[in-house]
Amino acid sequence: GDSVTQMEGPVTLSEEAFLTINCTYTATGYPSLFWYVQYPGEGLQLLLKATKADDKGSNKGFEATYRKETTSFHLEKGSVQVSDSAVYFCALGTGFQKLVFGTGTRLLVSP
Amino acid sequence: EADIYQTPRYLVIGTGKKITLECSQTMGHDKMYWYQQDPGMELHLIHYSYGVNSTEKGDLSSESTVSRIRTEHFPLTLESARPSHTSQYLCASSKTPGGSSYNEQFFGPGTRLTVL
Repeated sequence: GDSVTQMEGPVTLSEEAFLTINCTYTATGYPSLFWYVQYPGEGLQLLLKATKADDKGSNKGFEATYRKETTSFHLEKGSVQVSDSAVYFCALGTGFQKLVFGTGTRLLVSP
Repeated sequence: EADIYQTPRYLVIGTGKKITLECSQTMGHDKMYWYQQDPGMELHLIHYSYGVNSTEKGDLSSESTVSRIRTEHFPLTLESARPSHTSQYLCASSKTPGGSSYNEQFFGPGTRLTVL
């Protein structure tokens, strides 16, 4: 079945460091791919999305490219801030209008 | 800005009590979902609905039940709460997309339930 694998955390970085959170997927067909972010005590917010191969989603300095050949959708940011500390979820959208989530990666950014 | 609301935000209750977690959205979305999030952060789909009078069980078995009498409202009920039900519960909604694209789900702020 469809599945998403994310790198385990926590990922600990200093402010202004480069961020990569790896995400790979297994799916039949051509899923849409998403990154969600969850700040402490809150629900999930959509960070970015891509709906077809080679699409690049971007928002708030974060980017991810839909790579069909490597079945990947890695999240990157050139310079993280303390306010980026949160849990990040990679997800794929299935044909049954459900999302399959990865297990989440906690990011901790120190000043 | 997503308009999906959950109440209460926090609930501490004793074993055996009946509880209802409320979820409402004002976006006119036809699909709604309930997730349970464990302390390790992983999300589990426990119920979903494709529209009014439609409810389906999710991937994780749950003793809770749901109803969808109105488009905007998707409450979750536990008839007899137990400590094993202690968790964070997240509600979400989405709109049936046009064409072949998949529309994202919008999430509420969650209800943190503690059963003593």
